[in-house]
Amino acid sequence: SQQGEEDPQALSIQEGENATMNCSYKTSINNLQWYRQNSGRGLVHLILIRSNEREKHSGRLRVTLDTSKKSSSLLITASRAADTASYFCAIKAAGNKLTFGGGTRVLVKP
Amino acid sequence: DVKVTQSSRYLVKRTGEKVFLECVQDMDHENMFWYRQDPGLGLRLIYFSYDVKMKEKGDIPEGYSVSREKKERFSLILESASTNQTSMYLCASSLSDTFFYGYTFGSGTRLTVV
Repeated sequence: SQQGEEDPQALSIQEGENATMNCSYKTSINNLQWYRQNSGRGLVHLILIRSNEREKHSGRLRVTLDTSKKSSSLLITASRAADTASYFCAIKAAGNKLTFGGGTRVLVKP
Repeated sequence: DVKVTQSSRYLVKRTGEKVFLECVQDMDHENMFWYRQDPGLGLRLIYFSYDVKMKEKGDIPEGYSVSREKKERFSLILESASTNQTSMYLCASSLSDTFFYGYTFGSGTRLTVV
């Protein structure tokens, strides 16, 4: 399956701490994307990293990609209560479809 | 602010009804997608479209059809709703070159079939 698999499934941290979640996949990819979903809402695109890139930053977000290990990580630094959400990785292989993983639920406690 | 609009946030329908879920985007995107999201199963692709009047089956098309008569609108049709189609339905759109761009999602429609 091309589906990304996130790890851990759930994460609970204190405000101000860093949160790290990982995504593994099984096939060659064109890019890998991370999305956030607040409870009961649609997904919001956070960051896209192409297969020839190793690291990208966006504000408090840092994404790494290791194509040799077929894995990616999303780091949220200095977390806030508003970061409480589910985070999904999505794999773009050939074609225009994205295949999503099951998500990591992040709870940031004030 | 660009966006994808799904016509209903919540819907309750009866088994056997024909159900229409509407999605409109104002970004002139070529690609549009319908996903369903269920606990423990993540997002699963139902149908997608690369252009007007074009459609492609996703991973779970059974029991669904779609219509794309205009570029901005992509409709998901449940021909005869069943209780196992109770789910959150998410519409998304993207530019044609998805190597560089991600998807824009609507807020979702939570459908309950009773």
